[in-house]
Amino acid sequence: AQTVTQSQPEMSVQEAETVTLSCTYDTSESNYYLFWYKQPPSRQMILVIRQEAYKQQNATENRFSVNFQKAAKSFSLKISDSQLGDTAMYFCAFMPLTSGTYKYIFGTGTRLKVLA
Amino acid sequence: DAGVIQSPRHEVTEMGQEVTLRCKPISGHNSLFWYRQTMMRGLELLIYFNNNVPIDDSGMPEDRFSAKMPNASFSTLKIQPSEPRDSAVYFCASSRPDKESDTQYFGPGTRLTVL
Repeated sequence: AQTVTQSQPEMSVQEAETVTLSCTYDTSESNYYLFWYKQPPSRQMILVIRQEAYKQQNATENRFSVNFQKAAKSFSLKISDSQLGDTAMYFCAFMPLTSGTYKYIFGTGTRLKVLA
Repeated sequence: DAGVIQSPRHEVTEMGQEVTLRCKPISGHNSLFWYRQTMMRGLELLIYFNNNVPIDDSGMPEDRFSAKMPNASFSTLKIQPSEPRDSAVYFCASSRPDKESDTQYFGPGTRLTVL
């Protein structure tokens, strides 16, 4: 079975500091996508960043970057220069491509609090 | 472009009543997903459609739940009869797998409370 594990239920970081959220997954697939979604208190699910497994280069979106280690099946999210608006639940998601079903498998989430 | 639209945003009903949640996907998207989010179970995929056809409904909890997609711009999730354990936030998401690398875009969710 394919699973996604987020081992940090809660984290906190001081404003302007850097924080890394971890995500590991288990799969026998070789072709897949990985995503990080943010869910602020408004509960809207917002895409933060995505990574194709066939790309070795780590994805970056402004202050957000990932450390994708395919062999280790690890996909961590780094948030630089943390801002109060980054306070949210963060979900890691995995989508295998070979099955053709386009289904996401979500982790249980990490609640991040940015402290002033 | 408008995002995924869901209505109502909040619904409070009494046990035994029928509840209908609505979703309008992003124009041009041909895959639509219904999720349920609770504290206990996290995000669960209930059902998803591709080109208006239900592809996988294995996540639908029981016969009280049904979903339809009569056309490319509208879907409903119905619960009949509703029970208190159905209280949750229900999300609709859409994607266009052939163009946007399978990224799902979520609606704002419907918070359902069944008393």
